Amino acid sequence: AQSVTQLDSHVSVSEGTPVLLRCNYSSSYSPSLFWYVQHPNKGLQLLLKYTSAATLVKGINGFEAEFKKSETSFHLTKPSAHMSDAAEYFCVVSPSYNTDKLIFGTGTRLQVFP
Amino acid sequence: NAGVTQTPKFQVLKTGQSMTLQCAQDMNHEYMSWYRQDPGMGLRLIHYSVGAGITDQGEVPNGYNVSRSTTEDFPLRLLSAAPSQTSVYFCASSYVKGGTEAFFGQGTRLTVV
Repeated sequence: AQSVTQLDSHVSVSEGTPVLLRCNYSSSYSPSLFWYVQHPNKGLQLLLKYTSAATLVKGINGFEAEFKKSETSFHLTKPSAHMSDAAEYFCVVSPSYNTDKLIFGTGTRLQVFP
Repeated sequence: NAGVTQTPKFQVLKTGQSMTLQCAQDMNHEYMSWYRQDPGMGLRLIHYSVGAGITDQGEVPNGYNVSRSTTEDFPLRLLSAAPSQTSVYFCASSYVKGGTEAFFGQGTRLTVV
């Protein structure tokens, strides 16, 4: 069975400081992993995805994530937070054989203070 | 290129009323799905379709019906609305292939009173 756990429901950082949003997954198969961002009252937008190529994945807006199979983790990072990064972030796992089972984490709300 | 379009954006229903949430995509995606988003629970899959004429249940299908008569459209019907269906609903589409990106609509905020 596949599952995903986002370890923090809320993260607060100051503008200009690093961002770390943590995600652990469980999958019986080689999974595809995604991070989506949802700005207030908006739909979800893909930040980045891992599909068994390079383990360090670069996404939009300066975000990146590293797939660590030994730790079953896919943490999202950004070196320097911007006010516009304030949003909700979802870690998502999908079995590589089947896209009809996108499994969402419960989300992490990122606050950025000036 | 419109992507995934959902209508309406907001809706208030009385308990027992029925309605249809519309979803259309113009990317020729085979796979379409409906999710509901509730605080602290992420997105949960309601129903999905892997092509015209083919639908299946997701994690929370009770109280909802879907049909897929065309590749482009995937409406979600609430048969008899209940307060527990108050939520934000998202439609998504993608290619039926492992690891592909899902594109989401802007969402429909539904309140059942």
